Amino acid sequence: DQQVKQNSPSLSVQEGRISILNCDYTNSMFDYFLWYKKYPAEGPTFLISISSIKDKNEDGRFTVFLNKSAKHLSLHIVPSQPGDSAVYFCAAFDSNYQLIWGAGTKLIIKP
Amino acid sequence: GAGVSQSPSNKVTEKGKDVELRCDPISGHTALYWYRQSLGQGLEFLIYFQGNSAPDKSGLPSDRFSAERTGGSVSTLTIQRTQQEDSAVYLCASSLGPDSMYYGYTFGSGTRLTVV
Repeated sequence: DQQVKQNSPSLSVQEGRISILNCDYTNSMFDYFLWYKKYPAEGPTFLISISSIKDKNEDGRFTVFLNKSAKHLSLHIVPSQPGDSAVYFCAAFDSNYQLIWGAGTKLIIKP
Repeated sequence: GAGVSQSPSNKVTEKGKDVELRCDPISGHTALYWYRQSLGQGLEFLIYFQGNSAPDKSGLPSDRFSAERTGGSVSTLTIQRTQQEDSAVYLCASSLGPDSMYYGYTFGSGTRLTVV
């Protein structure tokens, strides 16, 4: 049973527009969430994180929103740029400090 | 080195053969993780080393999989009698330890294993 779900395998967005990547989780004990970005033939790189005591964290063009009651988080990228084309993984720390990963969403930014 | 180094980057092996995958973590990182990513799947946890503690092997899919970490640094993931379902990208990551959760992990580029 997947504890972290990214239901959209892919997303296509026009350059300059907002990209919204969604993630749902089932375990209410998760209290720290991260987004990773992965280019082909490279390992994932850390992008942004959020603690459950917050509902928003912003870093430049990237903002993560957390809705604990809905067990939902989202990553907003605005404005989207061609270099943002990658696979984005949502992940959550469990009580053993291990990351539980979603299946990823492939973001394609169209020029 | 500056990052996590994995070797080889690509490995093609015949079904039934053994393979060894190597990971050099960032110097000073006490935690080391192995994950694998199969096509269309999320990252699957395999094994976790933290300092000198006994490793958490709960993610290893079968007894054909084993891993060692020598001297608290380099780690080797061994897959014996490889099967086609073992084909995946195997990723290694290191971190300063559980308290580094705020910064996540640093990943290597992975080893793409193809079993034919």
